[in-house]
Amino acid sequence: SQTIHQWPATLVQPVGSPLSLECTVEGTSNPNLYWYRQAAGRGLQLLFYSVGIGQISSEVPQNLSASRPQDRQFILSSKKLLLSDSGFYLCAWSNLAGRETQYFGPGTRLLVL
Amino acid sequence: GEDVEQSLFLSVREGDSSVINCTYTDSSSTYLYWYKQEPGAGLQLLTYIFSNMDMKQDQRLTVLLNKKDKHLSLRIADTQTGDSAIYFCAETIGGATNKLIFGTGTLLAVQP
Repeated sequence: SQTIHQWPATLVQPVGSPLSLECTVEGTSNPNLYWYRQAAGRGLQLLFYSVGIGQISSEVPQNLSASRPQDRQFILSSKKLLLSDSGFYLCAWSNLAGRETQYFGPGTRLLVL
Repeated sequence: GEDVEQSLFLSVREGDSSVINCTYTDSSSTYLYWYKQEPGAGLQLLTYIFSNMDMKQDQRLTVLLNKKDKHLSLRIADTQTGDSAIYFCAETIGGATNKLIFGTGTLLAVQP
């Protein structure tokens, strides 16, 4: 069966510090991968998606970047965090072989102070 | 454009039925989804419906789809306190990316 992991679960970082959030998927090959942000009391905003290694599409201009160094690994980064980067970050995967269902990880709660 | 709308809040009493509504805009969506998010957790897929169906039932959950009006609803029968959560509907944009557009979520509060 497929599982998706995210870490860390919670992170408190000062403004201007770097960021690296990791997402890994097990039990599937060549998944589509997604990063979402959920700001407090808001819906989900798609930040990045990837259809393969090294292929990243950005949905909104922002202070963040994403990379996919391996088939089942998706990383969200920032060189200098802003206060507005605070939120709940969710990684998801889907597989073109089936319906377009996306399955979500447990999320990382980021607080920038 | 792509837009999915939901009411923000719904309060029901335990044992009653809950109906959460959603409207979407992309008539080419192939699948529509309902996800549940409990406090502090990720999103859990509850159910989905293919666009050529108008109803799907799964235990206490009933999904109704009105393609003409682009209206999707989720009915929870015999609502329990454990059903308290935020419920998101989502539509597919299609294509190779399998992108989903999510609504803003409806907070369901179940009163004992």
